[in-house]
Order: sequence, then structure tokens, then C-alpha cells
Amino acid sequence: DVKVTQSSRYLVKRTGEKVFLECVQDMDHENMFWYRQDPGLGLRLIYFSYDVKMKEKGDIPEGYSVSREKKERFSLILESASTNQTSMYLCASRDREVYEQYFGPGTRLTVT
Amino acid sequence: GQSLEQPSEVTAVEGAIVQINCTYQTSGFYGLSWYQQHDGGAPTFLSYNALDGLEETGRFSSFLSRSDSYGYLLLQELQMKDSASYFCAVKDGSARQLTFGSGTQLTVLP
Repeated sequence: DVKVTQSSRYLVKRTGEKVFLECVQDMDHENMFWYRQDPGLGLRLIYFSYDVKMKEKGDIPEGYSVSREKKERFSLILESASTNQTSMYLCASRDREVYEQYFGPGTRLTVT
Repeated sequence: GQSLEQPSEVTAVEGAIVQINCTYQTSGFYGLSWYQQHDGGAPTFLSYNALDGLEETGRFSSFLSRSDSYGYLLLQELQMKDSASYFCAVKDGSARQLTFGSGTQLTVLP
């Protein structure tokens, strides 16, 4: 079974803090993705990576950065958290030639 | 760019059949996927259509018409556990990422 794990299910941070969200997959997938999910807006892509040290901006990259130093791990960084980044964050991975995407359980981040 | 439209809510009763539609606009269509997400859970893959026609997997079927830029997910013999959000997603042939619709909340009533 493919497993995508995320470091925290719930996180509360203060405005201005630097926040790290970690994602690990165990199936040697090339592609990894970070989404945020807000009511009525569906899944919006923040950043993705198609190889180690490679990254591409998604639809809403502002205020975020990412890091992929190892194939299995993809980190999302909020350089200076703001209240409008309060959301559910979902990590996903997918093999290169496959269309089925596997999601982690999500991290519900609250910025106060 | 790409955009997808699907209804925000659908309600049906146990045992019924429900169809969730998805229309899309994309610059280079590659395939249409469907995902299910229960409250508090992660989205899970249901189906994928690259070619026109109907794909059946148990109680769920997915249909695609490339000429109409339209697809649907058909759920038969609805059960209470089918209450969830359903997302359609498209992959542009030149892109590595999927673009998701905003989701349809299905409520199954007893």
C-alpha cells in the first residue's frame, strides 16, 4: 500500500512564525505536490516537484516555499505565517507515467 | 489555463442513482479523473478516463465525452457511506500536475 504521511494533523502557529510542513512518501514516486483546501475552493496547487531539488510553482505560490532534498520527502515552508494561510494542507505524490495520485491525511493549520 | 465546473451540492436517497457532472476547459486535454473525500479524510482516487465512453468499477461508473469537454461520475445503489465530496480533475498533456474542480458535496439520505 502506498503511504503518504504528513508530520502533523493539527498545528497552531502565531502570525509571523516560520512554519514547516513535512511530507514523506514510501513508493519512490517522482512527483510530489502541496495543495491547500478551503471550503468552496476545492484543491488549489501551491507547489510541486518532479524530481529531487526540482520545484515548480502552482497556482498560489505566494507566501510559500518548498524544499525537496530527498526523493521521498517534500517540505512546505511558510516563511512568515499570516492569518490568511489558515487552511487544510494536503500533500500528494504520483508516479511519473501514472494518473492516480495519493494523498496524505492533511495538516489543519491555524494561524492566530 | 484550465477550469472545471461541477455542482456544489447533490442530495439523493439510499438506493438511488446519482450523476455528478463535470465540464472542463483546458488547452491540451489528457484525461479526466475522479476523487472521493470523506469529511476529515484525504481524497482517494476513484477513476480515470482518457478515451470517450463509460468505465465501470462496481457501483461507480465514469463517463467522458472529449468532443463535449464533459464527463460525469455515476453512483448506483447509493449507500450512506457514499456521502462525501467528489472532485473531478484534469491533466493537461503538457503538464505534470492535475487541476481539480471545486468539488460536489453528495448527501445520501436514509
